[in-house]
Amino acid sequence: AQKVTQAQTEISVVEKEDVTLDCVYETRDTTYYLFWYKQPPSGELVFLIRRNSFDEQNEISGRYSWNFQKSTSSFNFTITASQVVDSAVYFCALSVASGGSYIPTFGRGTSLIVHP
Amino acid sequence: DAGVIQSPRHEVTEMGQEVTLRCKPISGHDYLFWYRQTMMRGLELLIYFNNNVPIDDSGMPEDRFSAKMPNASFSTLKIQPSEPRDSAVYFCASKVAGPPVQYFGPGTRLTVT
Repeated sequence: AQKVTQAQTEISVVEKEDVTLDCVYETRDTTYYLFWYKQPPSGELVFLIRRNSFDEQNEISGRYSWNFQKSTSSFNFTITASQVVDSAVYFCALSVASGGSYIPTFGRGTSLIVHP
Repeated sequence: DAGVIQSPRHEVTEMGQEVTLRCKPISGHDYLFWYRQTMMRGLELLIYFNNNVPIDDSGMPEDRFSAKMPNASFSTLKIQPSEPRDSAVYFCASKVAGPPVQYFGPGTRLTVT
């Protein structure tokens, strides 16, 4: 069975601070995919990034960066110079081939509050 | 391209009433998912379809819940009779076959009084 743990329930920072959201996953599959989604106060779930298990390169997109480490089964998300608009709940998810369906398992989410 | 469309966006109903939530997936997507989100339980997968066929409904909480997908562009989630504990945000999501990304609709916020 797959499991995703986001140990940080809520993080509060002041604007311009850097913040890292942790994600630890468990799976016995060697091929899997990891995702991050953002859920702003408006409620929709917005896809941010997908990584596959064979690609451990870190990724940077503007102020966002992701650190994938298979050795520690982690896929952490860092926001540099946080802004109030980054306030949202962030979900990490894991997907493995299950009869070819790749149904994701979601973590409980981390609520990020960025104060002005 | 239009994303996943859900209606209504908000629904307030009285206990015992029937509730029908609707979803139009992204055109060309083979899979459709229904999720429920609550503070207590987080994001729960209720049921998913592949090519309009229900594959796994083990997440459906009770017989009061049912879902259908009569064609590739439409799905419904019905609760009959509704209860206050059904109050939640219900999301529909769709994706193509393989490991790509699920795309979520805006959700339906259901309140049962």
